[in-house]
Amino acid sequence: GIQVEQSPPDLILQEGANSTLRCNFSDSVNNLQWFHQNPWGQLINLFYIPSGTKQNGRLSATTVATERYSLLYISSSQTTDSGVYFCAAEGGYGGATNKLIFGTGTLLAVQP
Amino acid sequence: DTEVTQTPKHLVMGMTNKKSLKCEQHMGHRAMYWYKQKAKKPPELMFVYSYEKLSINESVPSRFSPECPNSSLLNLHLHALQPEDSALYLCASSQGEGFNEQFFGPGTRLTVL
Repeated sequence: GIQVEQSPPDLILQEGANSTLRCNFSDSVNNLQWFHQNPWGQLINLFYIPSGTKQNGRLSATTVATERYSLLYISSSQTTDSGVYFCAAEGGYGGATNKLIFGTGTLLAVQP
Repeated sequence: DTEVTQTPKHLVMGMTNKKSLKCEQHMGHRAMYWYKQKAKKPPELMFVYSYEKLSINESVPSRFSPECPNSSLLNLHLHALQPEDSALYLCASSQGEGFNEQFFGPGTRLTVL
C-alpha cells in the first residue's frame, strides 16, 4: 500500500515566523489531506488537495502529484497554530480504496 | 454542516465490561470509518463501511465489533478489551463515490483498566 512520510518531525517557531511542512508519498493519490490535531485530539481539516495549490488565510498547500509530494505553508505563525500536523493519503495501485494512510506527523510549537 | 459527532467523549471500562461507542453524521455521507490513535502516533484505520456494508476490516481483533444501523450512524461495540486497547477512537465520514475527503469527529478517549 501507499506510504506517507512527513518532515520535519518537530518544529519550534517564534510567533510571526513562516514555516514549510513536507509530505512525501510513494504512489499516485486519489485523496491527499492535511489536518491539524488540536490538544484535545480533534482532527481539523485544513486542505483536501490531491493536486494543485490552495490557500486559506495564513495557510496554503501545494501538491505536485507527478513528483509525489505535498507542502503545507504556514505564514505569520501564531501560538494557536501549535499542535500536530498530519498529512494523509489514499491511493496506490487499483485506484480508490477508501484507505487513508497517515504520515507520522509534524509536532509544531509556536512560542510567544 | 461538516460535523461528525461522537459519544461518549471519555470512557473508562474494565476488561470484563461491554460498552459501545457511537458516531453520527448528517451530511448525507455514504462511507463511515473507525480509526484508533495511540498516544504520539498517527491514526490507524480499523474499519470502513460503504453504503452500510462493511467493506474494510484491517485485521482488527474480534473484541471490537462494528455496526452500521443506518447511513447516519456507526457504532463500535467493545467487549473483553485489554489495557493496550486504551486509545483515542476516531470516527470519520466521507461522501463516497470517489469523493473521498474525510471529516473526523472529536473522538472518544478510552481507558481500559
